[in-house]
Amino acid sequence: EAQVTQNPRYLITVTGKKLTVTCSQNMNHEYMSWYRQDPGLGLRQIYYSMNVEVTDKGDVPEGYKVSRKEKRNFPLILESPSPNQTSLYFCASTSADRITDTQYFGPGTRLTVL
Amino acid sequence: AQSVTQLGSHVSVSEGALVLLRCNYSSSVPPYLFWYVQYPNQGLQLLLKYTSAATLVKGINGFEAEFKKSETSFHLTKPSAHMSDAAEYFCAVIAYSGAGSYQLTFGKGTKLSVIP
Repeated sequence: EAQVTQNPRYLITVTGKKLTVTCSQNMNHEYMSWYRQDPGLGLRQIYYSMNVEVTDKGDVPEGYKVSRKEKRNFPLILESPSPNQTSLYFCASTSADRITDTQYFGPGTRLTVL
Repeated sequence: AQSVTQLGSHVSVSEGALVLLRCNYSSSVPPYLFWYVQYPNQGLQLLLKYTSAATLVKGINGFEAEFKKSETSFHLTKPSAHMSDAAEYFCAVIAYSGAGSYQLTFGKGTKLSVIP
């Protein structure tokens, strides 16, 4: 089954404690991205990656890092989380050579930073 | 840079009534446009997309949208609302951002309530 998986699904942490949210897809997609969803703001792109070792900032990259060492994985790293990073995070993937293809979204990770 | 504006953060309709969710876009290049739906506590699911073929696009669950370049709009409609349509709907635009890369930008979303 084609899918995007994220772990963990729920996370409560404290300010300053480094964390990683993993994202993995099994569709051999080149393009992967991270979004955060906040009430009244919709989804905003944090980072995206066109392929292995190629990453670019989205609209709200401050406070986040990503890496793309393998095609299937695109982890989101918060080196020093702060309360304003409390949000619902989605990972997505699609084929890069046909950008109008459907983006497949993961189930979401709800992060609370105390 | 491209952007999307969804008019109305909340829309309520009666069951059986017409659903109309508005989306206007701005883009300096021909856009690709999408509507996504998010049911409570779930991820996003593609409803339909416009990719410069037919201007009237039909999607899943009886939804359709019409691309109007002169109005820079891509409004979502459904003739008869069902209770199961209650969800949040997002319009999105994708456009090349240069150097072979592209970016997907979402609107702020419209929450649809269906009244029995």
